Amino acid sequence: ETGVTQTPRHLVMGMTNKKSLKCEQHLGHNAMYWYKQSAKKPLELMFVYNFKEQTENNSVPSRFSPECPNSSHLFLHLHTLQPEDSALYLCASSQDDREGYTFGSGTRLTVV
Amino acid sequence: GENVEQHPSTLSVQEGDSAVIKCTYSDSASNYFPWYKQELGKGPQLIIDIRSNVGEKKDQRIAVTLNKTAKHFSLHITETQPEDSAVYFCAAMWQGAQKLVFGQGTRLTINP
Repeated sequence: ETGVTQTPRHLVMGMTNKKSLKCEQHLGHNAMYWYKQSAKKPLELMFVYNFKEQTENNSVPSRFSPECPNSSHLFLHLHTLQPEDSALYLCASSQDDREGYTFGSGTRLTVV
Repeated sequence: GENVEQHPSTLSVQEGDSAVIKCTYSDSASNYFPWYKQELGKGPQLIIDIRSNVGEKKDQRIAVTLNKTAKHFSLHITETQPEDSAVYFCAAMWQGAQKLVFGQGTRLTINP
């Protein structure tokens, strides 16, 4: 356990479904990140939150909607996904976005 | 912006031999360089990092070297063991955007 917990570990969803990924960090960090990991792009940054404020949206389609209610929790809301969105979604946290990141174990998402 | 190139993409070595993975970066202002190990079914885990005011850092069988002039840094694993088999990612802190930029990853296989 790294201190960053992601749920669920695995998720299969249809293209018309709505689901959410959850990330929780117990490290007292103030920056949180969503990454997409696939065979094409090993670590692709999606969103950055610093002190609950979104500081980066890396041209992510609107079918991915992040939410950061506080510095310890991060969500990724999913709707009308495409099969090419199937990937491992990783959450990470850091202190002041200047140090090494601590990653969770990821959610393996399959869109059918 | 910052760009990090990592080589090789795959590396196979005999157990007990050494393994070296190399990365180059483009932003001369980068000052923090972590290395991550990702095992199957897990998120990337920080294994060692180095800052720009240091040329080399060791932790048991792993070491990292940094050449600021040439803008490259390397991971060295000595006396490799089967449990070293994993995907390894290098990263550099992009000062302009205050975020880590990752290399493409190296799949290391240790042959018994």
